[in-house]
Amino acid sequence: GEDVEQSLFLSVREGDSSVINCTYTDSSSTYLYWYKQEPGAGLQLLTYIFSNMDMKQDQRLTVLLNKKDKHLSLRIADTQTGDSAIYFCAERATGTASKLTFGTGTRLQVTL
Amino acid sequence: KAGVTQTPRYLIKTRGQQVTLSCSPISGHRSVSWYQQTPGQGLQFLFEYFSETQRNKGNFPGRFSGRQFSNSRSEMNVSTLELGDSALYLCASSLVGARGYTFGSGTRLTVV
Repeated sequence: GEDVEQSLFLSVREGDSSVINCTYTDSSSTYLYWYKQEPGAGLQLLTYIFSNMDMKQDQRLTVLLNKKDKHLSLRIADTQTGDSAIYFCAERATGTASKLTFGTGTRLQVTL
Repeated sequence: KAGVTQTPRYLIKTRGQQVTLSCSPISGHRSVSWYQQTPGQGLQFLFEYFSETQRNKGNFPGRFSGRQFSNSRSEMNVSTLELGDSALYLCASSLVGARGYTFGSGTRLTVV
């Protein structure tokens, strides 16, 4: 079955890079996603990567995928206080239509 | 372009009552999924509707049900509410075959 794991907390200083990690178990995953959730809000899609890619860059965001180790990471360059939020990794496995399996979320704290 | 709209934003209900939550997807999006978010269990998939048909269902009791109308708007219903049903209920919509899912701001249900 699907299982997605993330570390619970990350603290970085403003201007530094943040790296949020995620591991998943389902080798049939087709797409892997990163979502951001701010207090009291829904989920904002940040980026996604197809399972046959190993890297995707989108402005300050870089996603790295190691399919062999089933490891996904999100790097945020030049982290700002507005990046403080909970970040969720999610996978969509083959044949499960629109079902996403989410990780527990990583709370990113950006300090001055 | 309007996003995914969920109503109401907040609800307080008493144990044993029933509740109906509404989700209006982005115009043109025909797939609507529902998720429950709690501090203990995280984000869990409830069900997905496409063209008025339930395509996928998560591991929730039969008290949780949903439907989708011809205009793609969806409702979910929870009957015989329990304290453990207190959660943020999120709805997501997507285009057919799309990679990304857009979430609404959620309905926060409190059962007392």
